[in-house]
Amino acid sequence: DAGITQSPRHKVTETGTPVTLRCHQTENHRYMYWYRQDPGHGLRLIHYSYGVKDTDKGEVSDGYSVSRSKTEDFLLTLESATSSQTSVYFCAISEWSGGRVADTQYFGPGTRLTVL
Amino acid sequence: KQEVTQIPAALSVPEGENLVLNCSFTDSAIYNLQWFRQDPGKGLTSLLLIQSSQREQTSGRLNASLDKSSGRSTLYIAASQPGDSATYLCAVGGRGKLIFGQGTELSVKP
Repeated sequence: DAGITQSPRHKVTETGTPVTLRCHQTENHRYMYWYRQDPGHGLRLIHYSYGVKDTDKGEVSDGYSVSRSKTEDFLLTLESATSSQTSVYFCAISEWSGGRVADTQYFGPGTRLTVL
Repeated sequence: KQEVTQIPAALSVPEGENLVLNCSFTDSAIYNLQWFRQDPGKGLTSLLLIQSSQREQTSGRLNASLDKSSGRSTLYIAASQPGDSATYLCAVGGRGKLIFGQGTELSVKP
């Protein structure tokens, strides 16, 4: 299994509070991703990073920010959590090889976030 | 905008059957197509990656095909087992990013 950990694994918070989720990898992969998974919507990309301090928006980035100060860590921050951000959040890693096998994405175990 | 569709949404088969899961996509300008498995409450596990220049890829009892011109991919599972029960997701690879379908929930009955 790819060395990806997410913390915390479960979190319950209140509307309006800031929340930070952490993804840590031991594979030294250049690309890191944050997804959310919701019934009826599947997996949707929030933000991704293609290197230290290099990030870009995904499909559902509103209300989220990210930071990557080291290759191994990718942080997702909900500045002011809302109930619509209740979801399961997955981190993933990959390399970029122009479509070849190295592009395979490896996923972490997920963080279940509940915003009351 | 790329859209990925998986049909059926759910499938129940008896053990031992060969089965096919379908994935379709709207934009043929892809770098690769990836198939994943997700068990309940778990993360995704990569099964196969097909490069855009390939027609198929095999791993054990799994065979995935890709027809870019028609925007279709299939995942063939031979001799299904109860342990194959899971949700199977396909994802189309753009430059460094994936667009996912909503998955097919497979149940293999003993």
